[in-house]
Amino acid sequence: AQKITQTQPGMFVQEKEAVTLDCTYDTSDPSYGLFWYKQPSSGEMIFLIYQGSYDQQNATEGRYSLNFQKARKSANLVISASQLGDSAMYFCAMRGRRDDKIIFGKGTRLHILP
Amino acid sequence: NAGVTQTPKFQVLKTGQSMTLQCAQDMNHNSMYWYRQDPGMGLRLIYYSASEGTTDKGEVPNGYNVSRLNKREFSLRLESAAPSQTSVYFCASSEVGTAYQPQHFGDGTRLSIL
Repeated sequence: AQKITQTQPGMFVQEKEAVTLDCTYDTSDPSYGLFWYKQPSSGEMIFLIYQGSYDQQNATEGRYSLNFQKARKSANLVISASQLGDSAMYFCAMRGRRDDKIIFGKGTRLHILP
Repeated sequence: NAGVTQTPKFQVLKTGQSMTLQCAQDMNHNSMYWYRQDPGMGLRLIYYSASEGTTDKGEVPNGYNVSRLNKREFSLRLESAAPSQTSVYFCASSEVGTAYQPQHFGDGTRLSIL
């Protein structure tokens, strides 16, 4: 069965610092995709970045990068130069190739301090 | 440019009442999903549908039924609402057949069961 684990319920980070949000996963599917979403206080789900299991390079998207360590089954999100607007809930998600089930972790609430 | 549309946005029910949450997408996606979001629990998959005419159980299907009416619409029904079903419900859609496509989410339905 697939499983996503986010072990940090909440984090406080000073503005302009880099922050790493942890995500570990478990799956028996040889091909899968990993995603990060942001949920601000307004409630909408915003897609940030994805990583394919066979991608050789770590994904990057602006200030977001994904530190993918396949052997350790981890897919940590790195936000560089954090901003006040980064304060939100962040979810890691995984999708297997065998079926279309997409599951989420419990999320990490990030607080950026001025 | 609607994307995924959920109705209603808010609803209050009494225990034992029934209700159907509606979801429609205009992106010609094959896969559609229903999640519930509760504090500290992340997004949990209730049901998903890989294509018109097919539905599959997710992590927390008990107390819910779904209908994939056509390619655009995927509804979630609560036959006899219980206070434990108080939650925010999200509908999402995605392309099928590849692990690398993210989901597109609706704005959510806040449901309270008294």
